[in-house]
Amino acid sequence: GQQLNQSPQSMFIQEGEDVSMNCTSSSIFNTWLWYKQDPGEGPVLLIALYKAGELTSNGRLTAQFGITRKDSFLNISASIPSDVGIYFCAGQIGGGADGLTFGKGTHLIIQP
Amino acid sequence: ETGVTQTPRHLVMGMTNKKSLKCEQHLGHNAMYWYKQSAKKPLELMFVYSLEERVENNSVPSRFSPECPNSSHLFLHLHTLQPEDSALYLCASSSRPSGGEYNEQFFGPGTRLTVL
Repeated sequence: GQQLNQSPQSMFIQEGEDVSMNCTSSSIFNTWLWYKQDPGEGPVLLIALYKAGELTSNGRLTAQFGITRKDSFLNISASIPSDVGIYFCAGQIGGGADGLTFGKGTHLIIQP
Repeated sequence: ETGVTQTPRHLVMGMTNKKSLKCEQHLGHNAMYWYKQSAKKPLELMFVYSLEERVENNSVPSRFSPECPNSSHLFLHLHTLQPEDSALYLCASSSRPSGGEYNEQFFGPGTRLTVL
């Protein structure tokens, strides 16, 4: 089946630093998504990407959909304590009500 | 209640027990999903219901039995589970337009299941 390879597995950064994480796949996805999960909660959608090469921002977050539709990165600028959590990339091959394929997640830890 | 709710939030059961997980969405959606989240593994799609009909079953063992009585409710019935079934079970819902575009899946907080 499809797999998303997400890296890094975890990141230890200082508050104020920029963060970058990425996902790659051997499969082509129509839609690429970035979710964040806080402890005790379900994932929450941060950014959705629909077109190859698309670059989208949401506040301090920026994500790009690779031109081949097989990869994506997520950048967080000027990290703050509430950015702590697990970030997941996810892809959808079809559309509509199709399920999502998720990466293993990047655990972001901000050191004081 | 708003969004997607799941009950119970925590469940401990023995291998011979029968229990059910409940999910309710208050968003007017017509597609619902069960995902399994195990430690150090990606979220795994288990079941998809669209317009109350199951449209996808990712080869999930028969000891997991889903039920979708209406567009707002989704159940996962559990029986004779194994310790390796211990995980966070997440429910999600989305709308389903005819255009085939992605519709955001809204997740509930999950049920933390421990099988002894």
